[in-house]
Amino acid sequence: DQQVKQNSPSLSVQEGRISILNCDYTNSMFDYFLWYKKYPAEGPTFLISISSIKDKNEDGRFTVFLNKSAKHLSLHIVPSQPGDSAVYFCAASAEGGATNKLIFGTGTLLAVQP
Amino acid sequence: DTAVSQTPKYLVTQMGNDKSIKCEQNLGHDTMYWYKQDSKKFLKIMFSYNNKELIINETVPNRFSPKSPDKAHLNLHINSLELGDSAVYFCASSQVFTAGQPQHFGDGTRLSIL
Repeated sequence: DQQVKQNSPSLSVQEGRISILNCDYTNSMFDYFLWYKKYPAEGPTFLISISSIKDKNEDGRFTVFLNKSAKHLSLHIVPSQPGDSAVYFCAASAEGGATNKLIFGTGTLLAVQP
Repeated sequence: DTAVSQTPKYLVTQMGNDKSIKCEQNLGHDTMYWYKQDSKKFLKIMFSYNNKELIINETVPNRFSPKSPDKAHLNLHINSLELGDSAVYFCASSQVFTAGQPQHFGDGTRLSIL
């Protein structure tokens, strides 16, 4: 049972435009959501996170939006750059129990075309 | 200066053999993790140690045994390797094991079983 889902396996965007990556989750106990970026043959790199008490968090070109009622979050990248081409993973964790256990989605491959 | 380093990067071996993967972090973090990324690119947690103590132990065959000699190192030993163990194994660390703490990943060890 996959608790974190990224339904778009890939996304292609023109340089300079906005990239929107989506993530859905099923477990209402999740308190934190994180986005990671992964290049081939490298490990995932932390990008940005959001707590469930917020609905938006911004860091430079990256903004994460959380809609708790819809159990949906999205990562906006604007403007998109060719160096942003990578696989993006959404991850979630819950307070209590085995804390900081990250549950990952299956990733979305973003291709930014020059 | 690599923050989380894993060795070896590639490991090719025969079914039935025993092998180890080493992980070291120089970030001064308290918590370390092992994740497995299978052929479907799904990243799933296996183990977590906090200050050398096991805190997360997912449903993993007991052929897999993690060992943490100190809080900067978390090694993974695998006995009697099977074809299904072929995957990329990622080590990660976080400052503490509080939910929402970003985890820093190594570049992975690609294990191939012949």
